[in-house]
Amino acid sequence: EVQLVESGGGLVQPGGSLRLSCAASGFTFSSYWMSWVRQAPGKGLEWVANIKEDGSEKYYVDSVKGRFTISRDNAKNSLYLQMNSLRAEDTAVYYCARGYSAYAGWGQGTLVTVSS
Amino acid sequence: EIVLTQSPGTLSLSPGERATLSCRASQSVSNSYLAWYQQKPGQAPRLLIYGASSRATGLPDRFSGSGSGTDFTLTISRLEPEDFAVYYCQQYGSSPPLTFGGGTKVEIK
Repeated sequence: EVQLVESGGGLVQPGGSLRLSCAASGFTFSSYWMSWVRQAPGKGLEWVANIKEDGSEKYYVDSVKGRFTISRDNAKNSLYLQMNSLRAEDTAVYYCARGYSAYAGWGQGTLVTVSS
Repeated sequence: EIVLTQSPGTLSLSPGERATLSCRASQSVSNSYLAWYQQKPGQAPRLLIYGASSRATGLPDRFSGSGSGTDFTLTISRLEPEDFAVYYCQQYGSSPPLTFGGGTKVEIK
């Protein structure tokens, strides 16, 4: 069974940084693209970033380019999202998801709140 | 970037009724790379349909997807109590960026 567990969310001031982690189990992590998707309170879903199996390709939504960095450690079956220069509009639940396209596996999400 | 517009925003129906949800793309979705998700309050989304019409593993056959090009439909033939939720479409034919629609809430009438 696919299991994805996010951690690292919390309250941070505007301009601050946070690093999210996603621990994967139940599948061969190194064989899958991985993605981050976020959902602002009461709003819809927004794709944030994804990363190729070996980390050689990474893509981002325009609104986070230059501020967020996606990475992975296949030896630790872990996905990361380094978030810098955080803004109020980055407030959301952040989900990690398995795959490049249609996401069959999702974590439970971790809440990031950007506020002074 | 492909923009997905879902309609209606809210669908008020009774258990046992048929639900028809629409997802319209601003340009053609290549290879019908369109998915549908269901999300209940406080939960992560759940994949229902991929490739416009293929059901995810274990999905009841009352759920079906159809369409191509710019117009796609999710149909729930007979609503069960557990089907009342928010539904999102997503295109992955032209990515990045991968995009989602704004969602349709199916509520109990």
